[in-house]
Amino acid sequence: DIQMTQSPSTLSASVGDRVTITCRASQSISYWLAWYQQKPGKAPQVLIYKASRLGSGVPSRFSGSGSGTEFTLTINSLQPDDFASYYCQQYLSYPITIGGGTKVENK
Amino acid sequence: EVRLVESGGGLVQPGGSLRLSCAASGFTFSSSWMSWVRQAPGKGLEWVANVNQGGSQIFYVDSVKGRFTVSRDNAKNSLYLQMDSLRGEDTAVYYCARYSGDESFQSWGQGTLVTVSS
Repeated sequence: DIQMTQSPSTLSASVGDRVTITCRASQSISYWLAWYQQKPGKAPQVLIYKASRLGSGVPSRFSGSGSGTEFTLTINSLQPDDFASYYCQQYLSYPITIGGGTKVENK
Repeated sequence: EVRLVESGGGLVQPGGSLRLSCAASGFTFSSSWMSWVRQAPGKGLEWVANVNQGGSQIFYVDSVKGRFTVSRDNAKNSLYLQMDSLRGEDTAVYYCARYSGDESFQSWGQGTLVTVSS
């Protein structure tokens, strides 16, 4: 199985900050990586797919990069609505595996 | 608008069974792969299963193989998850999701809570 490791697990930031979350795969997954945002009590929503493609309706302050085993989700100019948990997920092969999550908290 | 509505969750004793349903609308259900993803209380997301358009290809996470069965009824635009031999570690919110090989989990339902406890 492909293991997905996110860092950090918690991140404290302020509105307007640039935030970076890292995701590492235990083996190459090419660009088959998605990022999701989840708010408390709500279902996740896709932000990024194929490592760098913006999901429908997702604000342009979100961006994804990377390929192979190392990936990054960047939020430019953090907004109040962005305080949430973020997950990376590989879909190169089964079983589909998901990182442990990063909680972005208000500093 | 894509809409996915799960139902069927509840409290069940260890060893018991439960059947979850997911009603889909707003897209061509019969042309879509579908998924179940779960989230234990306070924990991260865990993929459970995927099923192809016709129900002939189904993939499961190892921890539910032999206990959970995914099915679908394209005439009713519905996805199902039959859960047998339930364990405490199956306690979670279960989400159904529309899946594509391109965008992965494109759309999600609101989830239904399954609690396995005596």
